[in-house]
Amino acid sequence: EAGVTQSPTHLIKTRGQQATLRCSPISGHTSVYWYQQALGLGLQFLLWYDEGEERNRGNFPPRFSGRQFPNYSSELNVNALELEDSALYLCASSLDRGLDTGELFFGEGSRLTVL
Amino acid sequence: DAKTTQPPSMDCAEGRAANLPCNHSTISGNEYVYWYRQIHSQGPQYIIHGLKNNETNEMASLIITEDRKSSTLILPHATLRDTAVYYCIAKEPDYKLSFGAGTTVTVRA
Repeated sequence: EAGVTQSPTHLIKTRGQQATLRCSPISGHTSVYWYQQALGLGLQFLLWYDEGEERNRGNFPPRFSGRQFPNYSSELNVNALELEDSALYLCASSLDRGLDTGELFFGEGSRLTVL
Repeated sequence: DAKTTQPPSMDCAEGRAANLPCNHSTISGNEYVYWYRQIHSQGPQYIIHGLKNNETNEMASLIITEDRKSSTLILPHATLRDTAVYYCIAKEPDYKLSFGAGTTVTVRA
């Protein structure tokens, strides 16, 4: 069974551009979570999608947005890129919306570099 | 936002047990405690979770104090491949898991 897959693995952009990152959850998982991990720091919660709806978002500006498609895959968009947006963006999926099983399955991440 | 506190780092000898402490004095009675680890540049990996009873699986054991204010993750026989950042986290009411800075565990030969 395929795990959570993310693309692209690496992405280089310049300030002011837009970046789009994609995530395919494990088959059967309806919840998708996005996290940002700047170099040397912990994971910061970005967004949570479930059943196609945005359920929660972290303390990030509106230029961070996304969506979840009918097949439960998800896209994260970052507009007007700034240097500090350079980070590893991690996607995770869960079978259980309430996380009672405790398990988020993470992908390997997309590393975004803003020059 | 994290409701847990962990030491920033610890060393462990290969083959010995590694005991990783976590304080979570403010979590409510129905909030689980989760442990994940992140090996360098990889996505975090789930280890174990528990509510109030001790838990054990093939990776680790979780000991939760009776008052639920703290817990300890035990890696019974640490190997070099257990070198990673270990996160102790509590699920917040709005279903998100907030990861703090974690504990950087270095297993030495």
